[in-house]
Order: sequence, then C-alpha cells, then structure tokens
Amino acid sequence: AQSVSQHNHHVILSEAASLELGCNYSYGGTVNLFWYVQYPGQHLQLLLKYFSGDPLVKGIKGFEAEFIKSKFSFNLRKPSVQWSDTAEYFCAVNARGATNKLIFGTGTLLAVQP
Amino acid sequence: DTAVSQTPKYLVTQMGNDKSIKCEQNLGHDTMYWYKQDSKKFLKIMFSYNNKELIINETVPNRFSPKSPDKAHLNLHINSLELGDSAVYFCASSLQESDGYTFGSGTRLTVV
Repeated sequence: AQSVSQHNHHVILSEAASLELGCNYSYGGTVNLFWYVQYPGQHLQLLLKYFSGDPLVKGIKGFEAEFIKSKFSFNLRKPSVQWSDTAEYFCAVNARGATNKLIFGTGTLLAVQP
Repeated sequence: DTAVSQTPKYLVTQMGNDKSIKCEQNLGHDTMYWYKQDSKKFLKIMFSYNNKELIINETVPNRFSPKSPDKAHLNLHINSLELGDSAVYFCASSLQESDGYTFGSGTRLTVV
C-alpha cells in the first residue's frame, strides 16, 4: 500500500525566506506525484505535478519540486516566500496504472510572517 | 464557470438525521471522488466512481451511500448522522491519473 509522509507539520517563516517542505512516499512501483495548496477556508488547488521527464518541475506562484527517485522524495521549494503563501500544503501520490486513488500526506501548515 | 460545485457549502444538523451532499462537475471528467477532511486536516478517500461505476470503496460505515446518476454527478447520502461525521467533505474529479484532481469547494458538515 502507498503512504506519504510530510515531516514538517508546522513551519513559520519570515517574508523573503526560502522554503523547503519535505515529502517522502512509500511504494514499490511507479508513481505520479503532486503538491496541493489549501488557503484558509478554501478548497485544494494543484500547485504542481510530476508524471515523467525532468525531475525538477515548476508550478504556479513560483513553486518548484524535485523528484529524487532513489530517496522516494518530492520536496517542495520556493526561493522567497510571501505573506500570501500562508496555507496548508499537501503532498500526494498515486500509483501509475492503478485506480486513480490519490493518497495524501498529513499536510504542512506554513505561516509566513510579514 | 465553477468546474466542480458542491451544495450545500455548510450543513448543520442534529444527530440521527439523514442528509445529502450534491456534487456536479462540468469538466467532462470520467471519474469522481469523495474525500473526508477531519479536524486535523487529514484527507482520506471515501469513494470513487468512474462513468457511474463504483471503483473505490474504502472502509466507510455503510451509513454513507454514494450515488452517481451520470458521470457528471456524484452525490453522498448519510444516514443516522453521528458526532464523528463532523468534517469537511470534498468532491473531486479527474480525467487521467497524471492530471491530478480538481476539487470542489467543500461542504462543512457539523453534527450537533
């Protein structure tokens, strides 16, 4: 069975600081990887995804993530955060070629202080 | 145009009541889902339908019954509501596994 771990439960940063949120998954086969963002009181929105090709993927709002297959990791990064990035961030994975069941990590709450 | 729409947005009801949440998507996606987000923000899949056929049915009490009249609609009916059912329920849809999901805005259910 697949599982996703997000080790940072709560991150507090000042504006302009760099961000890296960890995500590790557990699955023996090929996966698709996603990062979603949930702003306070809102629904989940897709930030970026990895399906194949270049392991460094760029998403919306200046976010990027790197898939490192040997480490089963898909960490999210942003060079300079803004107050408006305050939100909950979820890493998710689904197994390639199976029922499209997206398994989510427990989320990381990012608070950016002005 | 709203891609995945859920109604109602808020639902407050007493224990023991029966309630329904409706979901509709206008994206032409084949697969729809129900997820439950608990108070700690943990998201867990409940059900999935592909072209009106149930394909994922996680360990959910049988008080929860999904219904998909067509591939654009997936409703969730809950019988005999309990306090522990209080959560935010998200509907989502997808076309291909590599696309990820498009989520609705959620229904915040509060059982008192």
